[in-house]
Amino acid sequence: DTEVTQTPKHLVMGMTNKKSLKCEQHMGHRAMYWYKQKAKKPPELMFVYSYEKLSINESVPSRFSPECPNSSLLNLHLHALQPEDSALYLCASSQLGRISGNTIYFGEGSWLTVV
Amino acid sequence: QQQVKQSPQSLIVQKGGISIINCAYENTAFDYFPWYQQFPGKGPALLIAIRPDVSEKKEGRFTISFNKSAKQFSLHIMDSQPGDSATYFCAASVYNQGGKLIFGQGTELSVKP
Repeated sequence: DTEVTQTPKHLVMGMTNKKSLKCEQHMGHRAMYWYKQKAKKPPELMFVYSYEKLSINESVPSRFSPECPNSSLLNLHLHALQPEDSALYLCASSQLGRISGNTIYFGEGSWLTVV
Repeated sequence: QQQVKQSPQSLIVQKGGISIINCAYENTAFDYFPWYQQFPGKGPALLIAIRPDVSEKKEGRFTISFNKSAKQFSLHIMDSQPGDSATYFCAASVYNQGGKLIFGQGTELSVKP
């Protein structure tokens, strides 16, 4: 079982709604990530937080707003999404450091449908 | 240069056979090469990983072979089982790029009983 927990597992939202995806890890990892995955495609990186600070934003539209309240929690706030934003949203975490810092662990994902 | 090319796109293997998935890269700065297994409706799970100072790594029925000079690495699944049917992604990363994983396009493996 993955130690990265995501809620909710499924979310249906209208284009004018505001919703949030939540992620939690208790592995003591100091890097956390949001990825987006479309059907039959590899995950695409959206954001990286290192030591609770945003370190990478892969030119993601502002209708996606990440937040890292503490080292264990990561949120993705969603507002005014488009139907093409429907996808599996994956949270992940990793240690920081040369030896183990590349090993990234994924959660089960949140299936988002925008109607 | 940041791409990782994965082949084949799909693979059908008989139970007990060997499944082989190949990946190639260009960026010689990559220093970590993981493989992920993903079942339908689930997140990717880390299967096995290798660093470029090692030519082979084996964990149970899963083996990574790494050819640094050819910039290629491959996943071998020995004694393939129907439960191995999943999508497999190779990936690569550079330590000082903040943990950014570059994924291959994925291989859909089907193991027939």
